[in-house]
Amino acid sequence: AQKITQTQPGMFVQEKEAVTLDCTYDTSDQSYGLFWYKQPSSGEMIFLIYQGSYDEQNATEGRYSLNFQKARKSANLVISASQLGDSAMYFCAMREGIPNTGNQFYFGTGTSLTVIP
Amino acid sequence: EPEVTQTPSHQVTQMGQEVILRCVPISNHLYFYWYRQILGQKVEFLVSFYNNEISEKSEIFDDQFSVERPDGSNFTLKIRSTKLEDSAMYFCASRGQGVHYGYTFGSGTRLTVV
Repeated sequence: AQKITQTQPGMFVQEKEAVTLDCTYDTSDQSYGLFWYKQPSSGEMIFLIYQGSYDEQNATEGRYSLNFQKARKSANLVISASQLGDSAMYFCAMREGIPNTGNQFYFGTGTSLTVIP
Repeated sequence: EPEVTQTPSHQVTQMGQEVILRCVPISNHLYFYWYRQILGQKVEFLVSFYNNEISEKSEIFDDQFSVERPDGSNFTLKIRSTKLEDSAMYFCASRGQGVHYGYTFGSGTRLTVV
């Protein structure tokens, strides 16, 4: 089974609108971390937001928020007030186990977001 | 903002040749990683490195691959006898013990095997 599933290969959003990028995960660990990364066309990977499995509040970072629904094992990224510069690939990732270990991250297949002027 | 630096940004090599991809992680980070991304595909884990040894590796990381931290600052990935299917973007990442425990990725090395 896939550890991280992103079911939306491509998404379009109008500038200034909000958009939700879906991510579901699969783990039997009680402790894990969920991450979103942005990859613009230039190729680098940019960290956006983190949610720990024990965090009770949904994470927020500026225009990014993570809609964490633990029972449904989903960690959707919400981008508010989309900007043209948000056009990029977005990857959801998970680290299993407790923090401060070298555990690998599992990445989803990504969602390509295009912001339309 | 501290950065992970990767060199070169692009490398073209002939099939069968050896390549060394170089990375300078963030200086106070403890965990180091190599990932690769074949064009248009997801990011795949290769290897993690901690305390001067490999802590975890994937099935992709076979005997063709090796990693080193030769001098306490550089972190290298060597690919012996490259194959066409090794063409990919290779990302180095490092991680400290910060509050979000996220990786800092380098900007990647695009390897093309011809």
